[in-house]
Amino acid sequence: AQTVTQSQPEMSVQEAETVTLSCTYDTSESDYYLFWYKQPPSRQMILVIRQEAYKQQNATENRFSVNFQKAAKSFSLKISDSQLGDAAMYFCAYRRREYGNKLVFGAGTILRVKS
Amino acid sequence: NAGVTQTPKFQVLKTGQSMTLQCAQDMNHEYMSWYRQDPGMGLRLIHYSVGAGITDQGEVPNGYNVSRSTTEDFPLRLLSAAPSQTSVYFCASSPTRPSGYTFGSGTRLTVV
Repeated sequence: AQTVTQSQPEMSVQEAETVTLSCTYDTSESDYYLFWYKQPPSRQMILVIRQEAYKQQNATENRFSVNFQKAAKSFSLKISDSQLGDAAMYFCAYRRREYGNKLVFGAGTILRVKS
Repeated sequence: NAGVTQTPKFQVLKTGQSMTLQCAQDMNHEYMSWYRQDPGMGLRLIHYSVGAGITDQGEVPNGYNVSRSTTEDFPLRLLSAAPSQTSVYFCASSPTRPSGYTFGSGTRLTVV
């Protein structure tokens, strides 16, 4: 069974600075997808970024980028120029490519942004 | 607006009561799932469906039933509520092609 581990329960960052959230996963599959979801206090789950395992290039969405290390099974999220609105719970998630009807989540990391 | 609609947003139940959490999506997605979110545990899969008439158990299915009579609807039934079912519940949907799931806004359920 696949597992996803987020080893940082909480992180803090100063506004305008950069922070990296860590995620590792375990799978025997070679083709899969990885995601970062953001959950603000409103409780809504918002897709931040996704990475396809067969693509070597790291995904980027504006201020959000990932460092995908397939051999190490590591998938970290970098947030540049942090803003107050980035404060939220962040979840890392895994999905198989074939029959990918299940998301496996990590426990989450609370990100606090200081002004 | 297109998306996943969950009702109710909040609910308080007494131990032993039953209820149904409603979920509907209007994106013609084949995949639908129910997750529960508990502190320190992320989201855990309760039940999922890959299409109308097809459902299967996830990681934590005990105490819950589901059915999928249409592509749009995927209700979650609590048969006899227990305090251990106090949680936030999310419904999510996805097309079969690999992509991120779209989540509903969640239901905060308290069982007393």
